Formats: sequence, C-alpha cells, structure tokens
Amino acid sequence: GAVVSQHPSWVICKSGTSVKIECRSLDFQATTMFWYRQFPKQSLMLMATSNEGSKATYEQGVEKDKFLINHASLTLSTLTVTSAHPEDSSFYICSAITGQGYSPLHFGNGTRLTVT
Amino acid sequence: DQQVKQNSPSLSVQEGRISILNCDYTNSMFDYFLWYKKYPAEGPTFLISISSIKDKNEDGRFTVFLNKSAKHLSLHIVPSQPGDSAVYFCAASAGRKTSGTYKYIFGTGTRLKVLA
Repeated sequence: GAVVSQHPSWVICKSGTSVKIECRSLDFQATTMFWYRQFPKQSLMLMATSNEGSKATYEQGVEKDKFLINHASLTLSTLTVTSAHPEDSSFYICSAITGQGYSPLHFGNGTRLTVT
Repeated sequence: DQQVKQNSPSLSVQEGRISILNCDYTNSMFDYFLWYKKYPAEGPTFLISISSIKDKNEDGRFTVFLNKSAKHLSLHIVPSQPGDSAVYFCAASAGRKTSGTYKYIFGTGTRLKVLA
C-alpha cells in the first residue's frame, strides 16, 4: 500500500518553456502532498506543501510564480516549472502522507529535469 | 540553519557487521523521526520511524534509537548486507499539524557502503 506515482521520470526541455510534473497517490487519498528538490550529493530540500483544494505553502526562497503547484483532487498534485532555465535542472520528488499525525512520507520515484 | 544534521557523509562496513548511522537535530518541537533509504535517481523509501514517546523501535534488521535529551537519533542495521548500500536520510517532523501544515525536514544523508 501507500504507492505514489510520479510522471514523467525524466524530461528534457528548452530554456523558456514550461514543464508539468504529476504526482498521484494510487491507493490512498492524500490530503497533503509535498514537493522536494534534490541537487547532486545534497539533501532533499522542501519546496512547498500542497493541500487539496487550497493554495500551496511555499518555503522561503522558492518562487511561487515559477513553481506552480496545484492539488485539485485527493489523489493528484502537479508541479509546473514555468519559463524554465538551466539552473532549474534538478531532481524533483513528490511525496504524500496517508494520514494525519504520526505518519511517514511516501515518495514518488522522482523526475529528472534537464533544461537546455 | 540546518535543523537536522548527519555529520558523516559516508560510512563503510563489512558485510555481516553492524552499521550505525547517526543524526542530530536542533528543534525541540520535533516529535516524530524517520529514516529513509535512497538509491540514485529514485525516490526515498521509508524504513522505520519513531515518535518522541519512545526511545527505541525495531523492525527486523533495523532499529532506531532516540535520545531526546541529546537531540540525537541513530539507525542500526544488523547484520549489514551488500544490498543495504545506499544513501540514508534521517528526517524529523512536528507530527501534529502546526500552523496549518506539516513539515518534514531531512538531513544531508549518509552514504553507506557494505563491503562483501
């Protein structure tokens, strides 16, 4: 149980274009999803917390107009990287919790974004 | 400010021996702690967790110890196997919903190599 599916697993796009990444909870309803970013050999950096039906909460330093997050249903959250630049190239990982309180995060397999 | 720290970037252990991975935190509000295993280009996989009301939790070969007074937790893997070679992240959370959001903060990771 607690499977999170992320799509695509990798994407290459040109500078200035937008890319959408989908995160789905396959066998549970996720009221809260989280988007992380990982740079090479570094930790997982929390970008934003996504609550179903409400606006995402962004961490300090994360541009909300650049990284658009939508959590339209209990099983789907999307991250759109708008007007991508090479410095946005990174590994993006979504995660979700199955319940409230003391509940582990379950992660998708990540999306490798390369902006040329 | 790194609230969750893993001071050892790497660790090598002989197969069959014990692996001990350490993690320190600074925020006394954290009351739920987790360990994840991560392979390259994949999302982290949940291993084991512990809430602050306990000081030990065991699951098969994995045991997590929590020392609240020292703000320190550790993951013991025994016996270590070559398949355990991966990057291990500890994470901490205020398990209850605070300020309307949950937040899981990750350490910088420790690369474990189990030698056959």
